[in-house]
Amino acid sequence: GAGVSQSPSNKVTEKGKDVELRCDPISGHTALYWYRQSLGQGLEFLIYFQGNSAPDKSGLPSDRFSAERTGGSVSTLTIQRTQQEDSAVYLCASSPWVDPSGANVLTFGAGSRLTVL
Amino acid sequence: GENVEQHPSTLSVQEGDSAVIKCTYSDSASNYFPWYKQELGKGPQLIIDIRSNVGEKKDQRIAVTLNKTAKHFSLHITETQPEDSAVYFCAASDPGTYKYIFGTGTRLKVLA
Repeated sequence: GAGVSQSPSNKVTEKGKDVELRCDPISGHTALYWYRQSLGQGLEFLIYFQGNSAPDKSGLPSDRFSAERTGGSVSTLTIQRTQQEDSAVYLCASSPWVDPSGANVLTFGAGSRLTVL
Repeated sequence: GENVEQHPSTLSVQEGDSAVIKCTYSDSASNYFPWYKQELGKGPQLIIDIRSNVGEKKDQRIAVTLNKTAKHFSLHITETQPEDSAVYFCAASDPGTYKYIFGTGTRLKVLA
């Protein structure tokens, strides 16, 4: 597609429920990132994919969070047994390739706003 | 790991004036420093970036400077316009990984 697409754009859920957030990266982009943006905070790294592999899961806050990527394209971030502190905007970004120098240009989606009541 | 601090958290300027946002980083091995602009309801968008082998980069009204010795970098916007109003984030590459550490953001308001 023309850009990174995320769905849903807004999700309100009750504490304890599971949620799935979806990211459609730009076609052909091999690298995919998930970040979390809490109110008044910066972007907190969650996980990074190179193809379907996740070499860096260091940012996942707890074992309630998991993510997968299939076919080198679509990624799903799953939060089990949601808590109020999970309320945030979840941003997905993709990059054409992994630059060994570290200079990857990320293109972000508009985000999924999650509210846990 | 890398840590990035960003100041100020909010900045108001009159239209036509300049705006400067400053960031510091902790890991001297960081080699890539992008700046993102986030408008309301949208994802962050890259506006300019700089690599560690360059001291300054300019793109029309936007410029970024990097001082490797002091480990700080700054975003300069000249002749500000109302459409420059947004939240700006700095970031630094995290050495040995493929992730980027972001600052906490600066909300810029350009007053007409």
